[in-house]
Amino acid sequence: GAVVSQHPSRVICKSGTSVKIECRSLDFQATTMFWYRQFPKQSLMLMATSNEGSKATYEQGVEKDKFLINHASLTLSTLTVTSAHPEDSSFYICSAREYTGSGANVLTFGAGSRLTVL
Amino acid sequence: EDQVTQSPEALRLQEGESSSLNCSYTVSGLRGLFWYRQDPGKGPEFLFTLYSAGEEKEKERLKATLTKKESFLHITAPKPEDSATYLCAVLSNSNSGYALNFGKGTSLLVTP
Repeated sequence: GAVVSQHPSRVICKSGTSVKIECRSLDFQATTMFWYRQFPKQSLMLMATSNEGSKATYEQGVEKDKFLINHASLTLSTLTVTSAHPEDSSFYICSAREYTGSGANVLTFGAGSRLTVL
Repeated sequence: EDQVTQSPEALRLQEGESSSLNCSYTVSGLRGLFWYRQDPGKGPEFLFTLYSAGEEKEKERLKATLTKKESFLHITAPKPEDSATYLCAVLSNSNSGYALNFGKGTSLLVTP
């Protein structure tokens, strides 16, 4: 089945620094990837949709200048949290859509990246 | 606005004790209802997609059903390894088209 790899799985950084998280589709091409954020005991909240070769589309309330998304190839999207602050500490999860032969499509999720900002 | 509400928030079962998890939804035109399993510190793992009322899908001890207002995830004779958070989601409008809109999940604990 489809596999989405996310790296790093855990990262701790100082306040004010930037952190980059990578999301790769390992055995399929993904023109669209999604970035979610999950706070403890909360649901996954969509942050933005990453489109290969074009600008990402951000959801309401998500600062595009703070959460930089780059989808430079059909298998790689990156999320950079710029000037991170403690309130950005969260679990960031990416997902990619694989189109099956039946026409259905399934979102496959990465294992997530736990960001802790000190 | 589309909404997904899951209940209960947490459920504790003894091994072998069957039960059901509920997912109530309001959506303007269902384009798919999804069930995922999420283990602590991991990303969600796909279980099922249901598209129309009356549809049912099964996988091992899990069976998902769908009505016009809700979906149930039935767990038959659960085992400790079924312990996880089960997430329900619907496809909703987003700024980029459609995206998964998740409920808060049901945290299931199965004890030996």
